Amino acid sequence: EAGVAQSPRYKIIEKRQSVAFWCNPISGHATLYWYQQILGQGPKLLIQFQNNGVVDDSQLPKDRFSAERLKGVDSTLKIQPAKLEDSAVYLCASSSEGRFTGELFFGEGSRLTVL
Amino acid sequence: QQQVKQSPQSLIVQKGGISIINCAYENTAFDYFPWYQQFPGKGPALLIAIRPDVSEKKEGRFTISFNKSAKQFSLHIMDSQPGDSATYFCAARGGSTLGRLYFGRGTQLTVWP
Repeated sequence: EAGVAQSPRYKIIEKRQSVAFWCNPISGHATLYWYQQILGQGPKLLIQFQNNGVVDDSQLPKDRFSAERLKGVDSTLKIQPAKLEDSAVYLCASSSEGRFTGELFFGEGSRLTVL
Repeated sequence: QQQVKQSPQSLIVQKGGISIINCAYENTAFDYFPWYQQFPGKGPALLIAIRPDVSEKKEGRFTISFNKSAKQFSLHIMDSQPGDSATYFCAARGGSTLGRLYFGRGTQLTVWP
């Protein structure tokens, strides 16, 4: 079974530029999450989707971050304009619905460096 | 506000020794407590998890001890191996099945051969 796919793996941009990250969850997983992991810290939830709908985006900085999940499958996370403090690894995760066990399956992440 | 507090930040253990990582929480609505293991350049992966109705869960060399009254739980790694060297995160989840996971800050474990 293929895992969660993310791209790009690495991105370096100047502050005030924009960036987009893509995620393809495990096939059949209805719930998709974007987490931000700053160096030396645990992952922090940015947004959670259930199929196409947003379940929780309370910690998403909506003035600069946006995310969408089209057709309940792939998702894109965008940052515009980027700030220095956005340097982090952006992790996408998915989990199945119905037999939810609490297990999140994470991708390898997209590492963003803002200069 | 840190929902889950984890310690120590780093841990060095001799091969064959016992590694112990501790976590504490405040929110009594939490009903699921997983531990995730993360290797450099990889995403976190579920290692073991426990619910508050049991005090201990063991899977191979990994054991979670849970103290509901103290609102604390810990991960014990018996017979630690160099391959266990990774960052470990404790986490907690709220009462709803779609509740978010709150992660601790992580413990970087190094096991010397």
